Amino acid sequence: QKEVEQDPGPLSVPEGAIVSLNCTYSNSAFQYFMWYRQYSRKGPELLMYTYSSGNKEDGRFTAQVDKSSKYISLFIRDSQPSDSATYLCAMSFSGGYNKLIFGAGTRLAVHP
Amino acid sequence: DGGITQSPKYLFRKEGQNVTLSCEQNLNHDAMYWYRQDPGQGLRLIYYSQIVNDFQKGDIAEGYSVSREKKESFPLTVTSAQKNPTAFYLCASSFPRTVGNEKLFFGSGTQLSVL
Repeated sequence: QKEVEQDPGPLSVPEGAIVSLNCTYSNSAFQYFMWYRQYSRKGPELLMYTYSSGNKEDGRFTAQVDKSSKYISLFIRDSQPSDSATYLCAMSFSGGYNKLIFGAGTRLAVHP
Repeated sequence: DGGITQSPKYLFRKEGQNVTLSCEQNLNHDAMYWYRQDPGQGLRLIYYSQIVNDFQKGDIAEGYSVSREKKESFPLTVTSAQKNPTAFYLCASSFPRTVGNEKLFFGSGTQLSVL
């Protein structure tokens, strides 16, 4: 069993839809949770970062963490064609360096 | 502009050949990382370095080597011992973990293919 499970998609939605992307994890020692966005053949860029259960909002993006269920989500409101990318969840333990464990990534396509 | 520069963008390796991927950063970051990305899989850590002249193996270090002679540079060599080198290679850097400095900055990647 992988430490971090993420449905690879692809997920196709119409412009303006609310998108829900999810990851589950098995190790309760994970303390930090991140979402990265990766456009085709580019490096990932950090979208959201959180270290506690609950919701964190940034513009059209909301990150949700449920540590009791070992489940994290990223919601995108009013999705745009420019949101079409692969979304990677990532997690890390507490301690001295950023060793991240990544999910496989979900490919999202937002069509006009 | 500050950032991470990876070169070349595309690289082809012949059987039995060693190839070196370049990674340079001007962000004054102490820590640097190499990840490998395969289709349908998450990023996997190859090597990381927290300070100059020191580096540690990640989860899939076999068949790879690195050096960290300068803070700005962290080249990755894919040796002939790596039997399945075709992948997208990503270099990243960050400050060491302190609250608020957890962000990894990634380069644009190098696609390595076997001839």
